[in-house]
Amino acid sequence: GQNIDQPTEMTATEGAIVQINCTYQTSGFNGLFWYQQHAGEAPTFLSYNVLDGLEEKGRFSSFLSRSKGYSYLLLKELQMKDSASYLCAVIMDSNYQLIWGAGTKLIIKP
Amino acid sequence: DADVTQTPRNRITKTGKRIMLECSQTKGHDRMYWYRQDPGLGLRLIYYSFDVKDINKGEISDGYSVSRQAQAKFSLSLESAIPNQTALYFCATSDSSGHTGELFFGEGSRLTVL
Repeated sequence: GQNIDQPTEMTATEGAIVQINCTYQTSGFNGLFWYQQHAGEAPTFLSYNVLDGLEEKGRFSSFLSRSKGYSYLLLKELQMKDSASYLCAVIMDSNYQLIWGAGTKLIIKP
Repeated sequence: DADVTQTPRNRITKTGKRIMLECSQTKGHDRMYWYRQDPGLGLRLIYYSFDVKDINKGEISDGYSVSRQAQAKFSLSLESAIPNQTALYFCATSDSSGHTGELFFGEGSRLTVL
């Protein structure tokens, strides 16, 4: 079966760094997305990884290891507005069919 | 204005009623999707359409139907709503010619079935 695992909830301090992990077991792999979702709002795109390694975009970075079925999202210099859920999704095939993790709720404390 | 617009944003209805959620987009994307989101669960795909004449069932299509009226419009119907269809529903679009297949989401439609 297809499966994506993320921690349910994490807490971090404003100004600090946090790493949100995502592990997956899927029958296919054509890439991995990270999305941010504030409570009651639409998910918004953060990053896309298809090759192993680190992709950096401002305060956010995303890492992928295809051999380990593992990705993480790294958030630096945390701000209160980063309090949100972070969704990991795997692209299963060339038609871009996705399987989504349940999301990690990140709580930022002052 | 939002590129992907859903109506209504909130709806409360009773068991057995027919409900339609509408989605329109100005992004010019060919692919459109309907997802539902429940607390503690990942987004689950209900139906998707890769073109006006293409409709496909997702993982949880039972109890739902869709219509792709035009490239820009994709509606979701609940023929006879039941309480376990209470959820947050999202429409999304993507561009088949895009590099990543990134999804763009509407603002969501919160449906409560009593």
